[in-house]
Amino acid sequence: NAGVTQTPKFQVLKTGQSMTLQCAQDMNHEYMSWYRQDPGMGLRLIHYSVGAGITDQGEVPNGYNVSRSTTEDFPLRLLSAAPSQTSVYFCASSYRGGAGEKLFFGSGTQLSVL
Amino acid sequence: AQTVTQSQPEMSVQEAETVTLSCTYDTSESDYYLFWYKQPPSRQMILVIRQEAYKQQNATENRFSVNFQKAAKSFSLKISDSQLGDAAMYFCAYRSPTGANSKLTFGKGITLSVRP
Repeated sequence: NAGVTQTPKFQVLKTGQSMTLQCAQDMNHEYMSWYRQDPGMGLRLIHYSVGAGITDQGEVPNGYNVSRSTTEDFPLRLLSAAPSQTSVYFCASSYRGGAGEKLFFGSGTQLSVL
Repeated sequence: AQTVTQSQPEMSVQEAETVTLSCTYDTSESDYYLFWYKQPPSRQMILVIRQEAYKQQNATENRFSVNFQKAAKSFSLKISDSQLGDAAMYFCAYRSPTGANSKLTFGKGITLSVRP
């Protein structure tokens, strides 16, 4: 049982480059989300999805795009990377997105933008 | 907007001893959920324990228990019989009951070290 799988684990980009962080889950979860973690801060929500074809913005959505074409996958796109996007990114999923549900997290992607 | 405060950036405990990690939060809601997440050096986020605000009984999970004081808006985590594997960063988090439309609001975290 793989759970939530994120790729890559590490990435270095130059300012202005684009890339996609991949997230896949095999638990048939309806709810998926992306968080970023910065030093000295807790995680902050970027975007989330409550099902295929449905996405919405979180707390810090600027500079990021998402789509949800299948239940399993929820990629996060950086169209033009900026140094302010240097962070550790976590994908998380839960069954239906209920407030009390356990969130299953991926192992994170450490992104550096030079 | 809800806020979560973890005022102690670091704590240390002797192996086999008990340690309490503090967390306070601010909300105007009467129903909500509170969580403690553990992040070891592997970076994996692991749910330790959760508490539903409408339940007066404090949640427990093996060596982990909480002291939930709703009126004081306090949610501390007690780790009994501390083990070396408990060394990690611990995050307190809040979520309002509106479900998918509500985000987890995290505190800044506390780094726990365990002395052998």
